[in-house]
Amino acid sequence: NAGVMQNPRHLVRRRGQEARLRCSPMKGHSHVYWYRQLPEEGLKFMVYLQKENIIDESGMPKERFSAEFPKEGPSILRIQQVVRGDSAAYFCASSRQGYGYTFGSGTRLTVV
Amino acid sequence: QKEVEQDPGPLSVPEGAIVSLNCTYSNSAFQYFMWYRQYSRKGPELLMYTYSSGNKEDGRFTAQVDKSSKYISLFIRDSQPSDSATYLCAMSARGSSNTGKLIFGQGTTLQVKP
Repeated sequence: NAGVMQNPRHLVRRRGQEARLRCSPMKGHSHVYWYRQLPEEGLKFMVYLQKENIIDESGMPKERFSAEFPKEGPSILRIQQVVRGDSAAYFCASSRQGYGYTFGSGTRLTVV
Repeated sequence: QKEVEQDPGPLSVPEGAIVSLNCTYSNSAFQYFMWYRQYSRKGPELLMYTYSSGNKEDGRFTAQVDKSSKYISLFIRDSQPSDSATYLCAMSARGSSNTGKLIFGQGTTLQVKP
């Protein structure tokens, strides 16, 4: 049973480009969470999704960021027109219910 | 004031020492308390999970929750070099508005020297 799969592991984008981060939850998990980790900081909640629904996006920046978890396929975190401040590690986690998350290994985004 | 405060360290101890890691919090609605371990360039791994107050033990690890003081602790006995990592506390509220969102501390970096 594979864990939470995130890809790519590393992503380099120039300022103004779009970044698309993908997350495949563990088999049987229908809850997906995205967190961002800046250097020297803990993880900050961004968004919680279930299949085809955004449940809580209280941690998402109001502009340029969006997330989806379609009926088929992985969850996608999309960042439009990236800026240097978006450089961070982005972690996805999945669970069956609301607790006992399993985290992926993260995508490290570098904006140059 | 942050909802969850955690001393970032770094904390350096000799092999075999007892390690104490702590977090304080301000939100009295928190009911679920977790400790995660994160190795460099990896995702967090759940170590301990506790509901409400009390102690929980798992091998060399003991988690304590004191809700009256809004204080949680993780103790590591007989620490090993392989315990060298960043330890993150995390907590979640309960109730109809709860979405399972976790609030994390900043993380404490631990180094266990052979």
